[in-house]
Amino acid sequence: QSALTQPPSASGSPGQSVTISCTGTSSDVGGYNYVSWYQQHPGKAPKLMIYEVSKRPSGVPDRFSGSKSGNTASLTVSGLQAEDEADYYCCSYAGSNNLRVFGGGTKLTVL
Amino acid sequence: QVQLQESGPGLVKPSETLSLTCTVSGYSISSGYYWGWIRQPPGKGLEWIGSIYHSGSTYYNPSLKSRVTISVDTSKNQFSLKLSSVTAADTAVYYCARVNWRSNWFDPWGQGTLVTVSS
Repeated sequence: QSALTQPPSASGSPGQSVTISCTGTSSDVGGYNYVSWYQQHPGKAPKLMIYEVSKRPSGVPDRFSGSKSGNTASLTVSGLQAEDEADYYCCSYAGSNNLRVFGGGTKLTVL
Repeated sequence: QVQLQESGPGLVKPSETLSLTCTVSGYSISSGYYWGWIRQPPGKGLEWIGSIYHSGSTYYNPSLKSRVTISVDTSKNQFSLKLSSVTAADTAVYYCARVNWRSNWFDPWGQGTLVTVSS
């Protein structure tokens, strides 16, 4: 099972919006609505930001939103803030054998 | 508040077996959810290793399956990871996490523990 494809980097100025993509196949991202997104600050453990493509856990700001089209899931961060600068990872259910696969990660820089 | 804490040796010799334990507090493993291990080599991305239910049912990443064993001890509210025949490529920060298996989310995560494979 190959890792999901994410752009290595993304950036935006404070207040702007940035979208990070996560591309898989019809066997993972495209086949199921079970994509989750994680935020990871340097030296820290990942934190769940989005699950089931577009649902936000309690406590996650509504500036974070998720969507999916075909084999590509997306995380959008609106109204960028300095504390949003972090690495972001997507994760998808991958069907047969109950596999889970992560994306390679995207480093978000707030300019 | 659910909390997870990894523990185990920080240095393992090549060809030996890596052993880690995750202790869960604030929630009984027997109450539900799957429990999983994820690793992150230095400067690289996350890799799912495998997950276990309190009944002992397990799922493993096929790329590691031949070397991985995950077990659970409900009496101690712990679950464990064993990875055999390690090489330098297994050097990573190892995280444990609670897993919603059906919805595919990992939350919360332990703080992680760095395991270095070196002689």
